[in-house]
Amino acid sequence: NAGVMQNPRHLVRRRGQEARLRCSPMKGHSHVYWYRQLPEEGLKFMVYLQKENIIDESGMPKERFSAEFPKEGPSILRIQQVVRGDSAAYFCASSAFGQGETQYFGPGTRLLVL
Amino acid sequence: GDSVTQMEGPVTLSEEAFLTINCTYTATGYPSLFWYVQYPGEGLQLLLKATKADDKGSNKGFEATYRKETTSFHLEKGSVQVSDSAVYFCALSDRSTNAGKSTFGDGTTLTVKP
Repeated sequence: NAGVMQNPRHLVRRRGQEARLRCSPMKGHSHVYWYRQLPEEGLKFMVYLQKENIIDESGMPKERFSAEFPKEGPSILRIQQVVRGDSAAYFCASSAFGQGETQYFGPGTRLLVL
Repeated sequence: GDSVTQMEGPVTLSEEAFLTINCTYTATGYPSLFWYVQYPGEGLQLLLKATKADDKGSNKGFEATYRKETTSFHLEKGSVQVSDSAVYFCALSDRSTNAGKSTFGDGTTLTVKP
């Protein structure tokens, strides 16, 4: 019973490049959430998606960041023209239902921008 | 908006000591409450949860009781082990809105010494 899968686990990019982070939710889960964890800080909500829909993107930076969860395939968090301040751990979580339900987390992608 | 305040760390205890990590919350609706644990280099693992007032969540010797009157969800363990060393996050998910996201505290680092 595979849990939430994220890849890559580690990603190194130079300033100005694009970063693409992938998340496959647990089997049977149709709700996906992305969080960012800066060093020595807690998790900050970025975006909540269901299949083919963005439900809440109130935590997403207005520029350079986008997310999708297509009908087929994993959810993708895309960061264009990365800057050093984007260096963080990005965690994906999934749940079977929406509000109030337990979210199960993936191992995270650690992005380092040089 | 919703918020979670955790006792600041780091916390250092000797093996078999009693642990309390304080957590208080502010929510506009009626949240579910969670404790997650994060080991170095890993994602968050659900430790325990409670969904309504006076519920007690428990797992692996850890306990927390949902106190609506004091808006608290303090984590306790009677006798900690070295293997409990990790970062602990208190979180809430508001069931009365359609947001679905979880709000996290900043985390408390626990170190248990033999």
